[in-house]
Amino acid sequence: DAGVIQSPRHEVTEMGQEVTLRCKPISGHNSLFWYRQTMMRGLELLIYFNNNVPIDDSGMPEDRFSAKMPNASFSTLKIQPSEPRDSAVYFCASGRTGGNYEQYFGPGTRLTVT
Amino acid sequence: GENVEQHPSTLSVQEGDSAVIKCTYSDSASNYFPWYKQELGKRPQLIIDIRSNVGEKKDQRIAVTLNKTAKHFSLHITETQPEDSAVYFCAAETGTASKLTFGTGTRLQVTL
Repeated sequence: DAGVIQSPRHEVTEMGQEVTLRCKPISGHNSLFWYRQTMMRGLELLIYFNNNVPIDDSGMPEDRFSAKMPNASFSTLKIQPSEPRDSAVYFCASGRTGGNYEQYFGPGTRLTVT
Repeated sequence: GENVEQHPSTLSVQEGDSAVIKCTYSDSASNYFPWYKQELGKRPQLIIDIRSNVGEKKDQRIAVTLNKTAKHFSLHITETQPEDSAVYFCAAETGTASKLTFGTGTRLQVTL
């Protein structure tokens, strides 16, 4: 099993630019989670999907952030326009519902907005 | 919503000693409590978990205990080794669809 795949691994962009982060969950998993990690705020849940449907986006910081899951094997997190305070490591994780709550994290995308 | 508190924030132990990290949670409906280890620059990795129908679970040098009445759970690492040095996160499951609420992390340093 390839595990959760994220791309790009590193992204450096200028303030105001659009950023798109990508995630491929583990095959067979029906839940997908986007997290953001910073030193100041720790590990924050931004949004999660169940069977490709967004369930809770209360963690999305602003309207500049949006996420989609068009099918069971792909999700994107978009920031438009990006700001320096968006600099963080963004993790995608996947899991299964139905009583098995284990979540497996991808390698993360380190985003730097200058 | 669920609130998870984790203590201590940093912990330094000598190699071979034991380390204990404690977490409390607020939602009595939570039933699943995983622990993640995150090494510097790497992803959080699930190392052990416990469900509400058991009070203790052990995997080699790592054990987790759960007290549902008091709403707290703990991670115990025995015979610590330098490679145990990392940040450890506890979490509690919230509601449906496997949503986890994470603690703020404990930075464990194992010194020689």
